[in-house]
Amino acid sequence: EDQVTQSPEALRLQEGESSSLNCSYTVSGLRGLFWYRQDPGKGPEFLFTLYSAGEEKEKERLKATLTKKESFLHITAPKPEDSATYLCAALTGGGNKLTFGTGTQLKVEL
Amino acid sequence: DADVTQTPRNRITKTGKRIMLECSQTKGHDRMYWYRQDPGLGLRLIYYSFDVKDINKGEISDGYSVSRQAQAKFSLSLESAIPNQTALYFCATSDFPGGGQTTDTQYFGPGTRLTVL
Repeated sequence: EDQVTQSPEALRLQEGESSSLNCSYTVSGLRGLFWYRQDPGKGPEFLFTLYSAGEEKEKERLKATLTKKESFLHITAPKPEDSATYLCAALTGGGNKLTFGTGTQLKVEL
Repeated sequence: DADVTQTPRNRITKTGKRIMLECSQTKGHDRMYWYRQDPGLGLRLIYYSFDVKDINKGEISDGYSVSRQAQAKFSLSLESAIPNQTALYFCATSDFPGGGQTTDTQYFGPGTRLTVL
């Protein structure tokens, strides 16, 4: 059975305090690893797709990396507006099956 | 205007009632999906459709049905709602990957908060 595990469940940072979120996966035939951001009461917002180990993608203060067993979302010098729940999901199979983790709830304080 | 819209945004209903959640998209995507989100469980796939004539069950389809009325519209029905169907429901769309791309990105609507009493 495909599994995606995110850690930590919750993270509190001071503004400017860099950190990383972890997404470990055990799936059959990974076709892509997705990161989404979700604000309270809203739908997930697409951030990145990573396709192969060693790949990295960046967007503003966020950088996503991928190995054969896990992915990291690095947040550099975060701001309060980065506060959200970050979801990762692994895409497998021919039916576009996305297996989601339960998310990391990030709070960035002044 | 939002690319993926869901109606209603909030709904409270009673056990045994039939309810329909609707999703419309202006992205021109062929593929549409219904998910539910529960605290501590993450997002789980209910049904998905790759085109108007192609509908498939996801991992938790029991108690749900869907209708793909057009490329842009995908509805989720609860024939007889029960309290454990209380959740956030999301519609998503994606395009068919082409040009050598191996995956396609799913874009989500704003969600419907459903409460079954």
